[in-house]
Amino acid sequence: GAGVSQSPRYKVAKRGQDVALRCDPISGHVSLFWYQQALGQGPEFLTYFQNEAQLDKSGLPSDRFFAERPEGSVSTLKIQRTQQEDSAVYLCASSKYRDRSYNEQFFGPGTRLTVL
Amino acid sequence: DQQVKQNSPSLSVQEGRISILNCDYTNSMFDYFLWYKKYPAEGPTFLISISSIKDKNEDGRFTVFLNKSAKHLSLHIVPSQPGDSAVYFCAASGETSGSRLTFGEGTQLTVNP
Repeated sequence: GAGVSQSPRYKVAKRGQDVALRCDPISGHVSLFWYQQALGQGPEFLTYFQNEAQLDKSGLPSDRFFAERPEGSVSTLKIQRTQQEDSAVYLCASSKYRDRSYNEQFFGPGTRLTVL
Repeated sequence: DQQVKQNSPSLSVQEGRISILNCDYTNSMFDYFLWYKKYPAEGPTFLISISSIKDKNEDGRFTVFLNKSAKHLSLHIVPSQPGDSAVYFCAASGETSGSRLTFGEGTQLTVNP
């Protein structure tokens, strides 16, 4: 399909392990977002890319979280030394334009991370 | 601090009747509002949006109303169908927050046949 894809869909990590979550946005989409969704809550913003430039990373909860989009397409969210509170669904979204309004964000299915 | 709030965690309606989902926001800088629908194990899917220059936007069975003075918006679904059963999220963005979306906690809608 032509939608946003994420891998893996499920990830179990032992506390202290590093994990890498991948997002393939819709081809040609300029903007890419990462959100974290805890159980029973709405998604919370983590970071935003416009092409390869990371324009906003104010939502990243700690310096253990790092995101990149080196060629302006695929993005990777890396979490170092995972903690139990990192357990959540990580959602990636892309949108076609730079503009904010009338610029629908299309979401992937998410990666459910469980840290034991 | 929760800038977008959906105070009803769940709502149950009969098929064919109207579903009304509510959302309140506190940040007066928000000027663009969206509703997303989410099925289990899937990502949120965009439903409908409204800019703060309007007070109503309609798309088929879905209508969003915006009351800026009350900082309140609502989603009306008429008529409700069993396939509408999902979690509905209200989201907002504003000039000062850039392209990021701020989401409410979600409302689980169940439409009973």
